[in-house]
Amino acid sequence: EIVLTQSPGTLSLSPGERATLSCRASQSVSSTNLAWFQQKPGQAPRLLIYGASSRATGIPDRFSGSGSGTDFTLTISRLEPEDFAVYYCQQYGTSLWTFGQGTKVEIK
Amino acid sequence: QITLKESGPTLVKATQTLTLTCTFSGFSLSTSGVAVGWVRQPPGKALEWLGVIYWDDDKRYSPSLRSRLTITKDTSKNQVVLTMTNMDPVDTATYYCVHSLQYWGQGTLVTVSS
Repeated sequence: EIVLTQSPGTLSLSPGERATLSCRASQSVSSTNLAWFQQKPGQAPRLLIYGASSRATGIPDRFSGSGSGTDFTLTISRLEPEDFAVYYCQQYGTSLWTFGQGTKVEIK
Repeated sequence: QITLKESGPTLVKATQTLTLTCTFSGFSLSTSGVAVGWVRQPPGKALEWLGVIYWDDDKRYSPSLRSRLTITKDTSKNQVVLTMTNMDPVDTATYYCVHSLQYWGQGTLVTVSS
């Protein structure tokens, strides 16, 4: 089973700043099988990025994903007020899905 | 338009079996490549993948929960059913069904009482 470790656990930033979130896998993950989600309180997760770097429908271009192998990154170029939320990475290869433990992006 | 909705009991007792139904529209589980998965989230905690069922009836389960889970589908009713045996208070969570990563149900909170 592939374990995903996200860092940092919490990121304290101000609107307009750049956010860089990390997701490290315990073994190599195909780039086609890595996704990022955003979740706000009381809501279901929202798909942001699939295939490591492709934005889902309707996702603003301030969100970008990169990485390969065991190291992946979600970058939010300039934080908007609505971006403060919890972010999860997920791998969906090998017929078994796993999620990271999440990174909370909070207002500084 | 693709929608999914979970239904089932909101409260179960420890040792009982939980049965949740995901009713969906806008796609067919008889179409090649299609899958529906289940994810849960204990209050204040991270997402946890439970399992997935594919169009060809192939199923995959979380290794840690495999012995307690069964996922089935009824293509004619556009439904997927999750069964989890021997429920425990630690299984208290919001349970989601999901399709193609992008489409999620609203989630249903299941509380397990001791």
